[in-house]
Amino acid sequence: GAVVSQHPSWVICKSGTSVKIECRSLDFQATTMFWYRQFPKQSLMLMATSNEGSKATYEQGVEKDKFLINHASLTLSTLTVTSAHPEDSSFYICSARLGAGVDEQFFGPGTRLTVL
Amino acid sequence: AQTVTQSQPEMSVQEAETVTLSCTYDTSESDYYLFWYKQPPSRQMILVIRQEAYKQQNATENRFSVNFQKAAKSFSLKISDSQLGDAAMYFCAYRGSGGNKLVFGAGTILRVKS
Repeated sequence: GAVVSQHPSWVICKSGTSVKIECRSLDFQATTMFWYRQFPKQSLMLMATSNEGSKATYEQGVEKDKFLINHASLTLSTLTVTSAHPEDSSFYICSARLGAGVDEQFFGPGTRLTVL
Repeated sequence: AQTVTQSQPEMSVQEAETVTLSCTYDTSESDYYLFWYKQPPSRQMILVIRQEAYKQQNATENRFSVNFQKAAKSFSLKISDSQLGDAAMYFCAYRGSGGNKLVFGAGTILRVKS
């Protein structure tokens, strides 16, 4: 089956620092990757959609300059939380989709970010 | 914009019994996909079942089946012979046929009692 990995699985950082989270599709090429944020016992909120080789499309209310997304290859997308603050602490999940016309998204295991 | 509503924040079921989780959605599209995802304590999202709107037949995957009522915009999940491993948060999700994005409901926490 299609496998998506995320690294790191958890990270603790100091306020004001930047953190990079990687999302990789291990056994398929993903033309589209998605980044979600999830607070405890709440639903997944889509932050942005990234297509390989082009700029990410951010959802309303998501700061582009704070959450930098790069999708440089068909197997890797990165989310960088810049100048992190405690309110950025959350669970971040990525997913990947094979391509247009394929309806299933494959999810990564998530990254827990704690900003002190 | 499409919305997905899960009106049951929590449900409980006795092991080996059957439970139904509710989901309704709102859309003006005629062609779309519906999904149920399971998120256990590990937080890994797992696809349970999916339904294409153009198919009248309800999808079934082993102990999991759906009751898809297109006119009523309802998409409930039935879990038969519930097992302890079914305990998780369940999310209903919608995707338009021409769209990329999944729209998730708020989720239902399912507890399984032994």
